[in-house]
Amino acid sequence: KQEVTQIPAALSVPEGENLVLNCSFTDSAIYNLQWFRQDPGKGLTSLLLIQSSQREQTSGRLNASLDKSSGRSTLYIAASQPGDSATYLCAVSRNAGNMLTFGGGTRLMVKP
Amino acid sequence: NAGVTQTPKFRILKIGQSMTLQCTQDMNHNYMYWYRQDPGMGLKLIYYSVGAGITDKGEVPNGYNVSRSTTEDFPLRLELAAPSQTSVYFCASRLGNQPQHFGDGTRLSIL
Repeated sequence: KQEVTQIPAALSVPEGENLVLNCSFTDSAIYNLQWFRQDPGKGLTSLLLIQSSQREQTSGRLNASLDKSSGRSTLYIAASQPGDSATYLCAVSRNAGNMLTFGGGTRLMVKP
Repeated sequence: NAGVTQTPKFRILKIGQSMTLQCTQDMNHNYMYWYRQDPGMGLKLIYYSVGAGITDKGEVPNGYNVSRSTTEDFPLRLELAAPSQTSVYFCASRLGNQPQHFGDGTRLSIL
């Protein structure tokens, strides 16, 4: 059974810092990996999707990497801003049906 | 284009009552999903559908039922509400190999 773990569970940083969020998964036979953002009381917003054949994806200040063989992904946020404060969730799918297994999330607070 | 719409946003039920959580999407997505999220946890898949008339169980289906009579709608039914079903429920949809789009959730308390 696939298990997804995110470390740390919570993180507080001053504005402007570059930061890394970690995600690990136990079964390397994944189809793709996604990073989501969740704001309080809201649903999830997809940030980046990495196919199993890819090593990384970038969107603006966000960069996600994937090392399938070691079961790890990282989300790098450059020059963090207070508006980046949210919970970040990592999820993997095992097939094209995109049934996702989620990690518990990292709660990020960026202080002005 | 409203995306994924869930109703109601909040609901309190008594043990043993039944209710239906509504989910509709206007993006003509073929895949639809129901998840639950317990406090401080990630999401767990309850049921999913790959198209109208086709549904299948996810990781935690016990105590729930779904139907998919149209492409747009994917209601989730709780027949006999139990305290363990207190959670936030999210509906999502997807087209092809694109990322899933999520609704804002239904917060359900069972007392």
